[in-house]
Amino acid sequence: QKEVEQDPGPLSVPEGAIVSLNCTYSNSAFQYFMWYRQYSRKGPELLMYTYSSGNKEDGRFTAQVDKSSKYISLFIRDSQPSDSATYLCAMSGMRGGKLIFGQGTELSVKP
Amino acid sequence: ETGVTQSPTHLIKTRGQQVTLRCSSQSGHNTVSWYQQALGQGPQFIFQYYREEENGRGNFPPRFSGLQFPNYSSELNVNALELDDSALYLCASSLAGAATGGYTFGSGTRLTVV
Repeated sequence: QKEVEQDPGPLSVPEGAIVSLNCTYSNSAFQYFMWYRQYSRKGPELLMYTYSSGNKEDGRFTAQVDKSSKYISLFIRDSQPSDSATYLCAMSGMRGGKLIFGQGTELSVKP
Repeated sequence: ETGVTQSPTHLIKTRGQQVTLRCSSQSGHNTVSWYQQALGQGPQFIFQYYREEENGRGNFPPRFSGLQFPNYSSELNVNALELDDSALYLCASSLAGAATGGYTFGSGTRLTVV
């Protein structure tokens, strides 16, 4: 069993849709949770960073962490074609420690 | 503020050869990590360097080695290349002790082993 599971998709939605991306994990030591966006032929770009459980909002993006269920989510409101990319969840047991990534979900937002 | 820069961007090597990949950290960052990303997969942690010392290592064999220099730049060396080493190699920098623990990634070096 992988430490972090993420549905690889691909996921295709119309412009303006609400997108929900999810990851589950098995290691209860994870404390720091991140979402990265990766465009083709580019490195991952940090979108959201959350410590422990709770919600965090930044513009059209909302990250949720439920440590009791070992489940994290990223919601994208009013999705745009420019949001088309691969989204990676990542987590760590310590600040600045190694990141364990999910497989990535490929998202396509159609105009 | 400059980001993380990696060189070269692409590389083709023959099985059994050795390769060196380079990374310049984001200005002000003192920690460098290297990740391997196979096609269609998430990045996998190779190792991390802090103050020129290895500060954690993933499940990679000893033929994967690294260096960090006083200016915080870094190298990843891979000996005796295998076909399965073909991947995108990502360098990520961060500031140890920063309130946010997120990393800044470079665009990577795409290595093809033939």
